[in-house]
Amino acid sequence: NAGVTQTPKFRVLKTGQSMTLLCAQDMNHEYMYWYRQDPGMGLRLIHYSVGEGTTAKGEVPDGYNVSRLKKQNFLLGLESAAPSQTSVYFCASSGHGYTFGSGTRLTVV
Amino acid sequence: QQPVQSPQAVILREGEDAVINCSSSKALYSVHWYRQKHGEAPVFLMILLKGGEQKGHEKISASFNEKKQQSSLYLTASQLSYSGTYFCGTLGNRDDKIIFGKGTRLHILP
Repeated sequence: NAGVTQTPKFRVLKTGQSMTLLCAQDMNHEYMYWYRQDPGMGLRLIHYSVGEGTTAKGEVPDGYNVSRLKKQNFLLGLESAAPSQTSVYFCASSGHGYTFGSGTRLTVV
Repeated sequence: QQPVQSPQAVILREGEDAVINCSSSKALYSVHWYRQKHGEAPVFLMILLKGGEQKGHEKISASFNEKKQQSSLYLTASQLSYSGTYFCGTLGNRDDKIIFGKGTRLHILP
């Protein structure tokens, strides 16, 4: 049972480039989330989904888009990366408590 | 309305006790507690629902005072493996999303 799997684990982007982060869960959870974690800021919610085909904005959605075409997958997209998006990104799904993926460390130069 | 955690950091010797507090300015439905070790993902510890219950297992427990909108995490006879950053997360209702505090760094010395 893999739980929540995130890919890639590390990525370096140049300003203006785009990329997609993939999150996959095998626990049949309806709710999925994308957070970013910056030093001293805790975990801040970017976007979330309450089921297949649904998405909603969290606390810090600007500059990101998401899609939930299949129940098990939740994609986070950066259309035009900026240095301010340098962060560690965590995906999570919720059953009894949240299960987090291992994270993606993104650097935008 | 991000919950406020205190203290921000604490250093203990192995075997000592610690209390981490989490306060919210709004009414709460539940409080979650997570631990994150350096370079790893947060790991779920426990959830407390309104009703003032205290939960836990072995030497890590927590309480939830819904009237005061506060929760406390208790670590007794701390072990080296308890080191990490502890986050509380609060929900205003059952269908809400967790809002996390900024975390409390706990360092256990041998």
